[in-house]
Amino acid sequence: SQQGEEDPQALSIQEGENATMNCSYKTSINNLQWYRQNSGRGLVHLILIRSNEREKHSGRLRVTLDTSKKSSSLLITASRAADTASYFCATGGGSEKLVFGKGTKLTVNP
Amino acid sequence: DAGVTQSPTHLIKTRGQQVTLRCSPKSGHDTVSWYQQALGQGPQFIFQYYEEEERQRGNFPDRFSGHQFPNYSSELNVNALLLGDSALYLCASSFPSGVYEQFFGPGTRLTVL
Repeated sequence: SQQGEEDPQALSIQEGENATMNCSYKTSINNLQWYRQNSGRGLVHLILIRSNEREKHSGRLRVTLDTSKKSSSLLITASRAADTASYFCATGGGSEKLVFGKGTKLTVNP
Repeated sequence: DAGVTQSPTHLIKTRGQQVTLRCSPKSGHDTVSWYQQALGQGPQFIFQYYEEEERQRGNFPDRFSGHQFPNYSSELNVNALLLGDSALYLCASSFPSGVYEQFFGPGTRLTVL
């Protein structure tokens, strides 16, 4: 079963704008990860945030985690057409199974 | 440094047939996990292999089985294929503990007619 839900399910923006995606999960976690998937191919790991962290940055990506609300957000700043993809949050990993949400489909228009 | 590789890329089978998908993990990784991703959905965990044994299993029937070889590569077998088995099958590799990132291969697109 899915761990939670990403919101929105689909997002369409113009190049240069910021994109924000949200993720909710159901159980307590050790960490939360975000992955990107282009055109139904393999997933690319973007960023991991541990349960004792509140915010993490990687290039144009910013992830926040609120364990009290069981939610996370992914912000992509100054978006580019190449950012067009589906974005998934997942809990677990390593020796634990990854449990994914249904994803947010992001379209960045040139 | 080779990443995770999977073969074949695409596969078309008919109902009732059997299929074998293959995965080679990223160099240095010894744990392999398999996921099924239906169209428009997030990946669903099938099972994980470590030290040639199935360590965890998701909610999939016994028609789904696997194997891990001494070189850490892995196979996913599906018997008695159903139309609903049509999906993208993803393999991910990782270290067994302490590091949470899993690295995914490009996937095998299985179509069951």
